[in-house]
Amino acid sequence: NAGVTQTPKFQVLKTGQSMTLQCAQDMNHEYMSWYRQDPGMGLRLIHYSVGAGITDQGEVPNGYNVSRSTTEDFPLRLLSAAPSQTSVYFCASSYRGGYTEAFFGQGTRLTVV
Amino acid sequence: LAKTTQPISMDSYEGQEVNITCSHNNIATNDYITWYQQFPSQGPRFIIQGYKTKVTNEVASLFIPADRKSSTLSLPRVSLSDTAVYYCLVGPDTGNQFYFGTGTSLTVIP
Repeated sequence: NAGVTQTPKFQVLKTGQSMTLQCAQDMNHEYMSWYRQDPGMGLRLIHYSVGAGITDQGEVPNGYNVSRSTTEDFPLRLLSAAPSQTSVYFCASSYRGGYTEAFFGQGTRLTVV
Repeated sequence: LAKTTQPISMDSYEGQEVNITCSHNNIATNDYITWYQQFPSQGPRFIIQGYKTKVTNEVASLFIPADRKSSTLSLPRVSLSDTAVYYCLVGPDTGNQFYFGTGTSLTVIP
């Protein structure tokens, strides 16, 4: 099993550009989420999904959009990149919701210049 | 959600046992205690979860006193490869999402 796969691993954007961070899981998990991690800090929840067609906002949703058209995929869209969105982004999936075992991707390191 | 407090950083020599304590004074009856490990440039990895008393697996032990207001993650005989950030999370095993705190940065010294 590949687990949770994130692409790309690295990305540099110019301010104002848009892009989509991809996340795919092959474990048939209903729950998926996106986090960002800034230097020296913990992970902050951006958006999450409890199943195909259902998404909701986390702690820091502004500037990001998500959709969940399939169980496997949960892309994160940056609408108009800003330097404040420079961060490492992690996608996670879990079989059950809440504080249960979650599986994380390797992350996407995004730099906005 | 129960707020957690952990030391910001810890150092340990190779071969020693390391204990990381997490305080969660307002833990709720249906909350579980979960620990994750994050190596540099990697995503977090689930280590262990418990509700009360003691839980042990191949990686670590988790000690939870009767009042459940704190918990201790114990790593036996650490090696350099155990250098990582360790996160303590407290919350129910139901619901839609979970949140991380800032974690404890453990550095293992040769």
